[in-house]
Order: sequence, then C-alpha cells, then structure tokens
Amino acid sequence: NAGVTQTPKFQVLKTGQSMTLQCAQDMNHEYMSWYRQDPGMGLRLIHYSVGAGITDQGEVPNGYNVSRSTTEDFPLRLLSAAPSQTSVYFCASSYSRRLTYEQYFGPGTRLTVT
Amino acid sequence: GEDVEQSLFLSVREGDSSVINCTYTDSSSTYLYWYKQEPGAGLQLLTYIFSNMDMKQDQRLTVLLNKKDKHLSLRIADTQTGDSAIYFCAEGDDKIIFGKGTRLHILP
Repeated sequence: NAGVTQTPKFQVLKTGQSMTLQCAQDMNHEYMSWYRQDPGMGLRLIHYSVGAGITDQGEVPNGYNVSRSTTEDFPLRLLSAAPSQTSVYFCASSYSRRLTYEQYFGPGTRLTVT
Repeated sequence: GEDVEQSLFLSVREGDSSVINCTYTDSSSTYLYWYKQEPGAGLQLLTYIFSNMDMKQDQRLTVLLNKKDKHLSLRIADTQTGDSAIYFCAEGDDKIIFGKGTRLHILP
C-alpha cells in the first residue's frame, strides 16, 4: 500500500490563480479530510468526507471546494488563491468516521501564494 | 466552539520524564488523541484514549484524562533525543480539532 499520497509537494501561485491539490489513498478508507497547518496555529480542518459523494465543512472552509466522486480520491480546489492561503496542507484518511483515531496523514503540500 | 489549548514549548533533559498538558472544551468527544510531528513530516498518531477511560499506558507513554477538568496529559518516560518533535493534542469524532502543538526540546 502506498498509504496517503499528495501532489504536488510544493506549489507557488499568484494571487487569483486557481489550482487543485490532489489526495489519494489506496486503503479503501471511507473517511478523508483536509487540514491546513500554519505556524503557531496547529492544524485546522478545512473539509471532510465520510464517504463517496458526501462532503462537509470543517473549521475554515472559505475559499476551498472539495468533491468525493470516488473512495480513493479527495481533491481540494482553491478557486482564487489569496496570500492568506499560504500554508502547508495535509490530507488524512481513516477506515470510517467511527475510527477517526486511526487517521493516516499524507506528507503534505507546501503552498505559497504571492 | 470547540477549542484545544496546550503550552507551546517544553524543554526536558535526556532520560527525564516529559509531561505535556492539554485542556479541551468539547466534553462530548468519544476520543482524545496525541499526535507527533517530526520536522518536515506529516502527523503520526502516537496514542489515543477513549473518553470513558482515566488512564492508558503504552510502553513509555502514559495518557491521563481528567474529564471533570477537561484535562489531558501525555507523559513520556525516559525521554530520548528521538522524542524531539511537536506534539499535538486533539479531540473530536467527525471533526477533529487540534491544539497548536507543544514543541519538545531535549537537553543533553
């Protein structure tokens, strides 16, 4: 198993550009989520999904869209990038919402918006 | 809303015990967690505790939960240089809320 993979590892965007951060898992996990990590702020939940076709908002959803068309993939879209979205983004997955303690994290995507 | 608070820094001498403390607000969480993050890496689940437990021990790690005071602690016995990392306290079921992390620094 590759576990949770994220692409790209690094990205620089200009203000107003859009892009999609990719996240995939090959463990047949139902639950997937996106976090952003900022210095001194810990991890903050952006969006999460409890299964294919189902998504919900976390703590800081504004400026981000997600979809879950398959069990394996959970892309995060930035519609119009802003400097405030400069952060490290982590994707995570677990077998089910009831087993969120077994969350597996991807290696992260470091995004800079200029 | 939910909130998780923890101190930002802790320095401990190698071989001593480290105790990282955390307070939380959401008493309805089924699970509380401790995650470890090493430099440049993602988070790794260290241990967790069910909310109906007071204590959980796993080798060098001891988790204590005081539900009345909404206080969670992580004790690392015989702290080693490899324990140097950021430790995150977290709570929640569907929505997991993380603290800001405690950076553990090991003194020789």
